[in-house]
Amino acid sequence: NAGVTQTPKFQVLKTGQSMTLQCAQDMNHNSMYWYRQDPGMGLRLIYYSASEGTTDKGEVPNGYNVSRLNKREFSLRLESAAPSQTSVYFCASSAIGRVYEQYFGPGTRLTVT
Amino acid sequence: AQSVTQLGSHVSVSEGALVLLRCNYSSSVPPYLFWYVQYPNQGLQLLLKYTTGATLVKGINGFEAEFKKSETSFHLTKPSAHMSDAAEYFCAVSDLSGNQFYFGTGTSLTVIP
Repeated sequence: NAGVTQTPKFQVLKTGQSMTLQCAQDMNHNSMYWYRQDPGMGLRLIYYSASEGTTDKGEVPNGYNVSRLNKREFSLRLESAAPSQTSVYFCASSAIGRVYEQYFGPGTRLTVT
Repeated sequence: AQSVTQLGSHVSVSEGALVLLRCNYSSSVPPYLFWYVQYPNQGLQLLLKYTTGATLVKGINGFEAEFKKSETSFHLTKPSAHMSDAAEYFCAVSDLSGNQFYFGTGTSLTVIP
């Protein structure tokens, strides 16, 4: 039981490049989330998916897109990376009926130059 | 919109001393409240949560927190600090759906031998 896994762990992009951050969970959770963590700002919700086939914007969705590929996988895409998107990205998941207990992945550290 | 304020971005305590990390929230309705811990280069881990019922909640590793509605506070305490408690601590509040989480900016706890 790996919990929540994220790939890659580290990534460096040039401004304007695109990439997809992958997230998978093996806990049969319905809800999945993407956050970014910046120094002095805590975690901010980018997008979430309450169930397979649905996605909703969080606090800071601009510049990102998401795909809930199936129940296990929730990807985050940066179409045209900007230096302001340099951050640590965390994926999380939670079970239906227990949405307040979120389980976090180890994070992806992204630098955009 | 809800918000969370953590007073003190850095707190240092001696090993064996009381740990007190402060959290205040703003919410128009009683929210769900959480404390998460983050160890270096890892994702967040749930320490404890308040949803309904008893206002004093106990979590893992000897931590506890008390929900005080009149003070809009949810401070985290531990009677005796251990070296292994050194980490970043985040207070968070969610709406009643549990889908939108708002995190504080975090408090870095240092434990001095």
